[in-house]
Amino acid sequence: EVQLLESGGGLVQPGGSLRLSCAASGFTFSSYAMSWVRQAPGKGLEWVSGISGSGGNTYYADSVQGRFTVSRDSSKNTVYLQMDSLRAEDTAIYYCAKGGPPRAVVILYYFDYWGQGTLVTVSS
Amino acid sequence: QSALTQPRSVSGSPGQSVTISCTGTSSDVGGYNYVSWYQQHPGKAPKLMIYDVSKRPSGVPDRFSGSKSGNTASLTISGLQAEDEADYYCCSYAGSYTLYVFGTGTKVTVL
Repeated sequence: EVQLLESGGGLVQPGGSLRLSCAASGFTFSSYAMSWVRQAPGKGLEWVSGISGSGGNTYYADSVQGRFTVSRDSSKNTVYLQMDSLRAEDTAIYYCAKGGPPRAVVILYYFDYWGQGTLVTVSS
Repeated sequence: QSALTQPRSVSGSPGQSVTISCTGTSSDVGGYNYVSWYQQHPGKAPKLMIYDVSKRPSGVPDRFSGSKSGNTASLTISGLQAEDEADYYCCSYAGSYTLYVFGTGTKVTVL
């Protein structure tokens, strides 16, 4: 059974940093790209970032380019999202999702499994 | 990259059919056959319902179907059931820079 478990969310002040983690199980982690998708309170979904299966290619939405960094550790089956220079508009539930960037052993142009999400609140 | 355009809400009685449209551009929906649809119940994570325009993952009822014409994709729910009441989002691959763009979301109400 595929499971994605996010952690690391919380309350942070504007300009601060936070690192999210997503522990994956139930599939061959290194064969799939992974993505982060966020949802602001009462709003729609926004693709934020993605990383190839090997970790050698990373991708970002314009809204977070230069502030967020995605990475993965295959020894721990975990993907990370380092978020720096946080702004109020980054407040959202952040979901980890399997699939996305078309650079992997198994290419998925969609997100077939999602975690339960972790809430990030940026406020003073 | 702007969000794909969906109607804010659609509704139907049990047993009826409803169709949700998802309008983009030639740079996303019209340019690739990589449209997916997600169902989201309140407080829950999104669930994949349709991928690659019209393919259904294992376990998704065949009441759900997808199609595309030009820059507009559509999700049809036939034989509407109470448990189909949820928010639905389309998503399209948009190329090697933007990667993915989601739709604005549609609330489906079962009357």
